[in-house]
Amino acid sequence: NAGVTQTPKFQVLKTGQSMTLQCAQDMNHEYMSWYRQDPGMGLRLIHYSVGAGITDQGEVPNGYNVSRSTTEDFPLRLLSAAPSQTSVYFCASRAPSAPYGYTFGSGTRLTVV
Amino acid sequence: GNSVTQMEGPVTLSEEAFLTINCTYTATGYPSLFWYVQYPGEGLQLLLKATKADDKGSNKGFEATYRKETTSFHLEKGSVQVSDSAVYFCALTQGGSEKLVFGKGTKLTVNP
Repeated sequence: NAGVTQTPKFQVLKTGQSMTLQCAQDMNHEYMSWYRQDPGMGLRLIHYSVGAGITDQGEVPNGYNVSRSTTEDFPLRLLSAAPSQTSVYFCASRAPSAPYGYTFGSGTRLTVV
Repeated sequence: GNSVTQMEGPVTLSEEAFLTINCTYTATGYPSLFWYVQYPGEGLQLLLKATKADDKGSNKGFEATYRKETTSFHLEKGSVQVSDSAVYFCALTQGGSEKLVFGKGTKLTVNP
């Protein structure tokens, strides 16, 4: 099925460890975004990309890196995990011609201990 | 900056009850407004949208009207079902920005 695929679904990290959250879409969407969801906070934008090679910061970018080498993939990197990064992470994508057609992945639940 | 405020939950209703979830926003100009729904263990799905004042978005029996004068976009459904149990998020975006601004979410539980 076409859509946004996120891996892994669950992850536990120790403080200071690094990891990459994967996001892939097969809809040829140029625009992709990463959000984090925290209880009582709604979703907040971390980073986004409007095409291969182009990324920009969102509302809460500190502690996260992104790159966009292909249209399909938009990985999110945590270089040195902190307990404050315990959250559920969602990737979303859309086509430029569909400004309201965001498609979300099913999320990655990350716990940093 | 832009912001969205939606009613605190959780909301618990009996099947076939009337649902209203209030949402108000703060933004300059004319944002586009959305309701997203998140079922347990899943990502968000777009439920409905409205892009200009007085527009009514509707889907699956849910409705919301873009009210510029009251800066509101309240979600309503005339008769809820158990399958409507989920978390509902009001959101806005503006001026071609990629940033969706979300409310904190309202958890709805519908009992048979």
